[in-house]
Amino acid sequence: QVQLQQSGAELVKPGTSVKLSCKASGYTFTSNHMNWIKQTTGQGLEWIGIINPGSGGTSYNVKFKGKATLTVDKSSSTAFMQLSSLTPEDSAVYYCARGSGSYDYWGQGVMVTVSS
Amino acid sequence: DIQMTQSPSSMSVSLGDTVTITCRASQDVGIYVNWFQQKPGKSPRRMIYRATNLADGVPSRFSGSRSGSDYSLTISSLESEDVADYHCLQYDEYPPTFGAGTKLELK
Repeated sequence: QVQLQQSGAELVKPGTSVKLSCKASGYTFTSNHMNWIKQTTGQGLEWIGIINPGSGGTSYNVKFKGKATLTVDKSSSTAFMQLSSLTPEDSAVYYCARGSGSYDYWGQGVMVTVSS
Repeated sequence: DIQMTQSPSSMSVSLGDTVTITCRASQDVGIYVNWFQQKPGKSPRRMIYRATNLADGVPSRFSGSRSGSDYSLTISSLESEDVADYHCLQYDEYPPTFGAGTKLELK
């Protein structure tokens, strides 16, 4: 069965970076794009960007360009999102979700807390 | 960016009710609208895709419809397990954008 397993919660300091992972199983990793989505109480759900695991090609929401960097490791069927220059506004739950339109499977989410 | 104006933001409901949630797109997004259910502490679950298609495993009391730029999710004969947050998403144009969400609460 398709599963997207995300890494654990992070407590990080302002100005630092964090790298989140999303390990895919149960399907051919390179056959489906992977999205990353941010959820906060105040802003709701926001689409960050998408990566094609086969080619490594990416597309970002302008709002998150320079903040998020999407990569993959095909050998481990894992997608990554690095968030840089963290501020308290980056505190949120981050999800990976499969598909360039389907969004049919989601990871369990990872809470990132930015605090000194 | 395309705005998805979702209404209502919250709704007080009773078991057995028929519930309709609507998203209005700020420009044409065709059929490229999904609906998601989200329960506290859980990730979103796709309920409807391409505006009117029931996702796998979703009960038939859920349905999606479109009238022009208005997209609706209807739950017929609401059950207790349906009490949750619901979100719409357009993915016709980048960036994909979500509605602000609708919270269903039991009376």
